[in-house]
Amino acid sequence: ETGVTQTPRHLVMGMTNKKSLKCEQHLGHNAMYWYKQSAKKPLELMFVYSLEERVENNSVPSRFSPECPNSSHLFLHLHTLQPEDSALYLCASSQDGGSVRYNEQFFGPGTRLTVL
Amino acid sequence: AQSVTQPDIHITVSEGASLELRCNYSYGATPYLFWYVQSPGQGLQLLLKYFSGDTLVQGIKGFEAEFKRSQSSFNLRKPSVHWSDAAEYFCAVVSDPMDTGRRALTFGSGTRLQVQP
Repeated sequence: ETGVTQTPRHLVMGMTNKKSLKCEQHLGHNAMYWYKQSAKKPLELMFVYSLEERVENNSVPSRFSPECPNSSHLFLHLHTLQPEDSALYLCASSQDGGSVRYNEQFFGPGTRLTVL
Repeated sequence: AQSVTQPDIHITVSEGASLELRCNYSYGATPYLFWYVQSPGQGLQLLLKYFSGDTLVQGIKGFEAEFKRSQSSFNLRKPSVHWSDAAEYFCAVVSDPMDTGRRALTFGSGTRLQVQP
């Protein structure tokens, strides 16, 4: 595998289900991101893990819970979602150069989530 | 807060015609700017980036973009469009969207490009 991979590619779940999205990067990067892409809305940054430290985002509902066990893997745990959470969830990674340099993000293909 | 505006939601051009997609940003210092492309059902692929230096940036697939500080713009251009260029295009700026000191990307709302034969 190369680049950034995401599984599953498609997921349908009921509002009472618990599921997890998985992202893996094979680029040796030290920062990973979750974005939400809804129809007719700009991509929204949900979470950032840089050097395995999580950056809190108080605007994301607690029914979304990220986990980053190491620099190559990122999970998004989902529980009691709402239909409006249906979207494409994109994972990205980058090499965080701190204040010296910013490097571009590489994106995975996304997980298309449908909440019934 | 930093922001990115893509004023054209949808553009249709004929194959072989030239293309310009507009992007305006709001940022106090010298911005780091990007253009990404997203084909249906796919993630985002980086076309080109501007960090500093030459204001005309060359990217992949024959695309280029010009940074104009006076106009706060970073428009994407291609001299001759191919049918395979039909996709959605996103302009982005490095920012601190969560106001935490951690930088990430702030995206525009995207421009969907249709290519007519």
